[in-house]
Amino acid sequence: DAGITQSPRYKITETGRQVTLMCHQTWSHSYMFWYRQDLGHGLRLIYYSAAADITDKGEVPDGYVVSRSKTENFPLTLESATRSQTSVYFCASSPRDEQFFGPGTRLTVL
Amino acid sequence: DQQVKQNSPSLSVQEGRISILNCDYTNSMFDYFLWYKKYPAEGPTFLISISSIKDKNEDGRFTVFLNKSAKHLSLHIVPSQPGDSAVYFCAAGPNDYKLSFGAGTTVTVRA
Repeated sequence: DAGITQSPRYKITETGRQVTLMCHQTWSHSYMFWYRQDLGHGLRLIYYSAAADITDKGEVPDGYVVSRSKTENFPLTLESATRSQTSVYFCASSPRDEQFFGPGTRLTVL
Repeated sequence: DQQVKQNSPSLSVQEGRISILNCDYTNSMFDYFLWYKKYPAEGPTFLISISSIKDKNEDGRFTVFLNKSAKHLSLHIVPSQPGDSAVYFCAAGPNDYKLSFGAGTTVTVRA
């Protein structure tokens, strides 16, 4: 299917566990992004990537790791999950200008 | 500290009337401004944008106004329709890839 997909859509994990959220886009957009959405904060940029092997920090990068070995994939890893990382995570891609968002992953850290 | 603020968390409007959503930003380096719309359980979708050299941009029922001196952005929806019920996010940044988003305004259009 064309577009941008995220997996899993829902995830429950425990404090201290490593979790990886996947993001895949079929458009070959150069830019990709990870955001988290929390009540009262809107969307906050975690990391973004301008191209394969080029990544940069956003507003709230602590506790997260990203990689981009292929243009179409941009996984987000929580190396040791904490309760404060309970959130809805959105991946997006962009050729520039407009950003296209995935459906989101709801992550709960117990 | 939030650089983009939407001070009204919710707005209720009657069908056919105008919806006005407001947004303020603090960073004078911001040159790129957008509005996104979000339905429950879906990702945000792009609605309309405006560049810093303009003060108004229209797309059908949606118009965005920019007042750079006041660091203020607004979105007008005329006429409002039931399908417009959603959360609206204002976003701004120095470029189109490093955006700061507001907390969102939930719009409810009443029949």
